[in-house]
Amino acid sequence: KQEVTQIPAALSVPEGENLVLNCSFTDSAIYNLQWFRQDPGKGLTSLLLIQSSQREQTSGRLNASLDKSSGRSTLYIAASQPGDSATYLCAVSGSGGGADGLTFGKGTHLIIQP
Amino acid sequence: EAGVAQSPRYKIIEKRQSVAFWCNPISGHATLYWYQQILGQGPKLLIQFQNNGVVDDSQLPKDRFSAERLKGVDSTLKIQPAKLEDSAVYLCASSLDSLAGAPYNEQFFGPGTRLTVL
Repeated sequence: KQEVTQIPAALSVPEGENLVLNCSFTDSAIYNLQWFRQDPGKGLTSLLLIQSSQREQTSGRLNASLDKSSGRSTLYIAASQPGDSATYLCAVSGSGGGADGLTFGKGTHLIIQP
Repeated sequence: EAGVAQSPRYKIIEKRQSVAFWCNPISGHATLYWYQQILGQGPKLLIQFQNNGVVDDSQLPKDRFSAERLKGVDSTLKIQPAKLEDSAVYLCASSLDSLAGAPYNEQFFGPGTRLTVL
């Protein structure tokens, strides 16, 4: 059974810092990995999706990497801003054809101090 | 492009009552998912539909939960009777069918329905 772990559970940093969120998964047979952002009382917003054959994806100040063989992914946020404060969730999709449901970690609660 | 729509946004019921949630996926998305997110946890998949057929319902508590997707578009999730531990946010998501040529199978989520069982 796939298990996803996110470290740290919570993080508080001053504005402007670069930071890294970590995600690990126990079964390397994944189809893709998605990073989401969740604001309080809201649904999930997809940030980045990495296919299992890819090593990284970038969008603006966000960069996500994937090391499938070791079961790890990182989300790098450059020049953090107070608006980045949210819970960040990592999720993996199984390798059964690509349309599998996602297995999520518990998330990293991020606070960017102004 | 309109996103995934869900209603109601909030619902408060007493235990042993029944409740239903509605989801309308993004137009053209063949695959629809229902997730349950308990406070402080990541979402957990309850059921997955491909068009109007069930693909995976292995984590759905079938003694009290049921779901359907008539005509392969809208879906409803029902709980009857509700228990205190069913208090959670119920999220609906949809994605294009990877077999239809969309290789990434990115899932898009609705705003969720927050259920409180008293």
